[in-house]
Amino acid sequence: DIQMTQSPSSLSASVGDRVTITCRASQSISSHLNWYQQKPGKAPNLLINAASTLQSGVPSRFSGSGSGTDFILTISSLQPEDFATYFCQQSYSNPPELTFGGGTKVEIK
Amino acid sequence: EVQLVQSGAEVKKPGATVKISCKVSGYTFTDYYMHWVQQAPGKGLEWLGLVDPEEGETIYAEKFQGRLTITADTSTDTAYMELSSLRSEDTAVYYCAKDANGLDYWGQGTLVTVSS
Repeated sequence: DIQMTQSPSSLSASVGDRVTITCRASQSISSHLNWYQQKPGKAPNLLINAASTLQSGVPSRFSGSGSGTDFILTISSLQPEDFATYFCQQSYSNPPELTFGGGTKVEIK
Repeated sequence: EVQLVQSGAEVKKPGATVKISCKVSGYTFTDYYMHWVQQAPGKGLEWLGLVDPEEGETIYAEKFQGRLTITADTSTDTAYMELSSLRSEDTAVYYCAKDANGLDYWGQGTLVTVSS
C-alpha cells in the first residue's frame, strides 16, 4: 500500500503570508497527486489535480508542484477564507485505490 | 448541475448494518468511478472503496474487506455503501465522491452514529 505523509499537521499563519504544505509518498506516484481543502462541517473541495493543475474557480494564489514522491501545495498570499484543513491524496493505481495524507490545519496566528 | 445527494443520518447499535445511498444527477453515472470516504469526528479522510458503475466492479480498502459492500444501480443512478458488524469506531461521516482524475464532486455526507 502507498502511504502518504503530510507535514506539518498544523500551522499558524497571518493573512498575506506565504504558506507551503508538503506531502511525501512512500513510493513514486508520478504526478497522481491531488489536493483538497476542507472547511468545518463541509465536504472536501478539490483544489488541484495531477499535482499542479488548478481546478476551475480556484484562486490563482493556490499552486501545486512536485512529482515522484515529493509534492508541495503553496498558498502565495493567505486570505481569510483560506483558513481550513488541507489534504493530499494519491491515485497511482488503476483502478485507483486512494490514500489520503493526514491533513494540515491552517489556523490564524 | 452535478449533484450527489446522500441519504440521511443513521443511529445504529453495535453489530448492526448500515446502508447509505448516493443519488447522482447532472452527469452520466456510468462514465466515472464512485468512491466512498470515511471521516471520523475530528479526524482525517479514509478511503473505503470504489465502484465502477458501468461494470459493477468494486475495490475495497483492505481494512474494510469482509464488512463493506458497495453497489451501483444504473436504473436509478444511485450508489450504495453498506457496512456491517458496526462498532463504535465506525462512528463517522461517510461521503460518496465522483472521480474525474480527482474527486471533483462530493455528496453532502451522512453521519452514522454507532452507540448502544
